[in-house]
Amino acid sequence: QSALTQPPSASGSPGQSVTISCTGTNSDIGAYNYVSWYQQHPGKAPKLMIYGVRQRASGVPDRFSGSKSGNTASLTVSGLQAEDEADYYCSSYAGSNNLVFGGGTKLTVL
Amino acid sequence: EVLLVESGGGLVLPGGSLRLSCAASGLAVSSNYMSWVRQAPGKGLERVSIIYTGGTTFYADSVKGRFTISRDNSKNTLYLQMNSLRAEDTAVYYCASDRNSNYWSYFWGQGTLVTVSS
Repeated sequence: QSALTQPPSASGSPGQSVTISCTGTNSDIGAYNYVSWYQQHPGKAPKLMIYGVRQRASGVPDRFSGSKSGNTASLTVSGLQAEDEADYYCSSYAGSNNLVFGGGTKLTVL
Repeated sequence: EVLLVESGGGLVLPGGSLRLSCAASGLAVSSNYMSWVRQAPGKGLERVSIIYTGGTTFYADSVKGRFTISRDNSKNTLYLQMNSLRAEDTAVYYCASDRNSNYWSYFWGQGTLVTVSS
């Protein structure tokens, strides 16, 4: 069981927007602004998309945005494209040098 | 261009040992936060261990006392010594790095598969 809770799946049509949630506690997401998001295509390594809650990693399109409210972080993908279909994982610092991840969300572009 | 290339994975018996290597190019392992992150088949990510630029190391509770992270600055290579391996250690192990943070990793290797089975 993962420390952070993500919906197992999400979907949207090309051009639409979709938001993936990541729920933690006041010991991780709620305590620190050290939330990151990774994209992973099948058989590939994870790719850093968002760090520090809302900062886009180098080379990441501005269609991807991150936010946080209380113990829940969110990743929004606007203007969905076929290549956005992938698994997405959230991560948060949880104190005492512990890093926790979510179980992942499979994003399907319909 | 930054490249992280893992090697050393394979099939090992429960209780056995394995040493993973991560050869880096385009960055200095001594100047980056270097991590090992694993992913069990069909599962999520877990950071196993991290070594800071100053040499401080940290481990996930699941591997503490069994795994050791180290680096050889002259070879620009990161290592993970894994002892007393268990079936639940079966996973793809990724080498990951970041120049500025121990909270996320920008560069990742392609991963190496470790299978613990009799």
